[in-house]
Amino acid sequence: GENVEQHPSTLSVQEGDSAVIKCTYSDSASNYFPWYKQELGKRPQLIIDIRSNVGEKKDQRIAVTLNKTAKHFSLHITETQPEDSAVYFCAAKGNEKLTFGTGTRLTIIP
Amino acid sequence: ETGVTQTPRHLVMGMTNKKSLKCEQHLGHNAMYWYKQSAKKPLELMFVYNFKEQTENNSVPSRFSPECPNSSHLFLHLHTLQPEDSALYLCASSQASLNTEAFFGQGTRLTVV
Repeated sequence: GENVEQHPSTLSVQEGDSAVIKCTYSDSASNYFPWYKQELGKRPQLIIDIRSNVGEKKDQRIAVTLNKTAKHFSLHITETQPEDSAVYFCAAKGNEKLTFGTGTRLTIIP
Repeated sequence: ETGVTQTPRHLVMGMTNKKSLKCEQHLGHNAMYWYKQSAKKPLELMFVYNFKEQTENNSVPSRFSPECPNSSHLFLHLHTLQPEDSALYLCASSQASLNTEAFFGQGTRLTVV
């Protein structure tokens, strides 16, 4: 089955700096890669996603890149703000099953 | 609100009790999932149902028993649980076979005493 690895598990960045979270997946059949943000006490919510026919996607301060050959994808957050502090999960979908990474706790230091 | 509702929000049960968690979605999705979230494993897939059929059982102990009577409802029946089963149980739904997001419920915070 699919195995998704996510790094780092914790990340602290100064407000205004950029944050990068990386994920790898094992199943070459996976073709959909969403990123979720989970704030304390709340449910995970989608912030951006990318499909396998695209190498990069951007939405304001958030961007995701995908390298299908290497089977890795990354989340980039620029100009970080305190409200970006949360746990971020990457996921890979293949065979109709959504498998999540182990999460990254991002802390923005004011 | 994401259209996925879980009840109860909090549950405390003894190890000999039997209880059920309920999930309901009003999004017209045909796939539903149970995830367990704990400090050890942040988002661990437990069960997947596509078109009411169970397609995935991720080596979950038999003290957890899922039920999917229709595409809109998903239950997780609990019996003789252990304290280490205490966790947040999240339900999610999506449109199977489409590359679209899964929507999560608020979760049930389960404490086994």
